[in-house]
Amino acid sequence: DVKVTQSSRYLVKRTGEKVFLECVQDMDHENMFWYRQDPGLGLRLIYFSYDVKMKEKGDIPEGYSVSREKKERFSLILESASTNQTSMYLCASMLAGSYNEQFFGPGTRLTVL
Amino acid sequence: AQSVTQLDSQVPVFEEAPVELRCNYSSSVSVYLFWYVQYPNQGLQLLLKYLSGSTLVKGINGFEAEFNKSQTSFHLRKPSVHISDTAEYFCAVSERGSNYKLTFGKGTLLTVNP
Repeated sequence: DVKVTQSSRYLVKRTGEKVFLECVQDMDHENMFWYRQDPGLGLRLIYFSYDVKMKEKGDIPEGYSVSREKKERFSLILESASTNQTSMYLCASMLAGSYNEQFFGPGTRLTVL
Repeated sequence: AQSVTQLDSQVPVFEEAPVELRCNYSSSVSVYLFWYVQYPNQGLQLLLKYLSGSTLVKGINGFEAEFNKSQTSFHLRKPSVHISDTAEYFCAVSERGSNYKLTFGKGTLLTVNP
């Protein structure tokens, strides 16, 4: 089974702090994703990576950046956290060419005070 | 561009009753369709998927869904629900030939009451 892990389940940060969210997958998937989930809005794609050091913006990239230095690891970075970035963050991975079936991690609930 | 509409944001039902969660999609090309479930404070888990072939798809935990191309729908059903089915359910669509994009509906919260 595919396993996607995220570094923290719950995180509390202060406005202006730099925040790193880490995601690791163990199935050699090429594609990795970061979503944020908010009540009533469903899942919205922040960034996508299809290979090491390669990335594409999703639907809501503003205020975020990403890093993928190794195939198994995909990091989401909030350069200067703001209260409107309080949300649930979900990481997913997908094998290239696999009908777009994505496998999700458990999520990180981030609170920015 | 593809889009997904989940017609009910909340569905309350009693234990052992049947349930249907509705999903409609919009796309100009052929699609793949998915239902995911999210239990409280957890990530998303795949329930079932339609890729091609039979329009009735069976998934885990006794759920099934039927792909209806003419009505552009992919409704999720279970004949008898349990308390443990209480969760949020997401319908998602992907266009054939797209390299990654999965578009999610806004979710339906299923609450099963005793």
